[in-house]
Amino acid sequence: GENVEQHPSTLSVQEGDSAVIKCTYSDSASNYFPWYKQELGKRPQLIIDIRSNVGEKKDQRIAVTLNKTAKHFSLHITETQPEDSAVYFCAAKVGGGSYIPTFGRGTSLIVHP
Amino acid sequence: KAGVTQTPRYLIKTRGQQVTLSCSPISGHRSVSWYQQTPGQGLQFLFEYFSETQRNKGNFPGRFSGRQFSNSRSEMNVSTLELGDSALYLCASSWLGTSGEGEQYFGPGTRLTVT
Repeated sequence: GENVEQHPSTLSVQEGDSAVIKCTYSDSASNYFPWYKQELGKRPQLIIDIRSNVGEKKDQRIAVTLNKTAKHFSLHITETQPEDSAVYFCAAKVGGGSYIPTFGRGTSLIVHP
Repeated sequence: KAGVTQTPRYLIKTRGQQVTLSCSPISGHRSVSWYQQTPGQGLQFLFEYFSETQRNKGNFPGRFSGRQFSNSRSEMNVSTLELGDSALYLCASSWLGTSGEGEQYFGPGTRLTVT
């Protein structure tokens, strides 16, 4: 089955800096890569996603890049703010008839004011 | 549109007991998935139901089971509870197009504590 590795497990940055979280996946059939943000005590929420036919996608301060050859994808957050502090999960989903993503173990992002 | 709801939100049980958790998906969503979230293991997939049928199953013992009703509401059951079952149990619903694509929306979770 699919295996997703996520690094780093903890990331501490100063407000205004950029943050990058990286994930690798094992199954070349994976074609959908969502990223979720989970604030303390809250549910995971989708913040951005990318499909395998796209190399990069941006949404304001957030961007995701995908390298299918190397089987890795990354989340980039620019101009970080304290409210970006949360746990971020990457996931990979193999194409097919069901929606079962395999999640990475999460990255705890801490943005210091 | 109302979001995914889960009941109860908090639960304390004793080892050996059983528990049933409930999840109501977003209206129109036919797929419901269940996850176990623990600090050390992240989000672990339990099972997925679609149109009252279990379509996928994760690597959990048979003590974990579930079902889905005709209105897409889903329940999961854990029998013979163990201390290690203490976790946040999340359900997520999605609408499935013919291509199998569909964003997952998570519920708030049920925090289960086993003593």
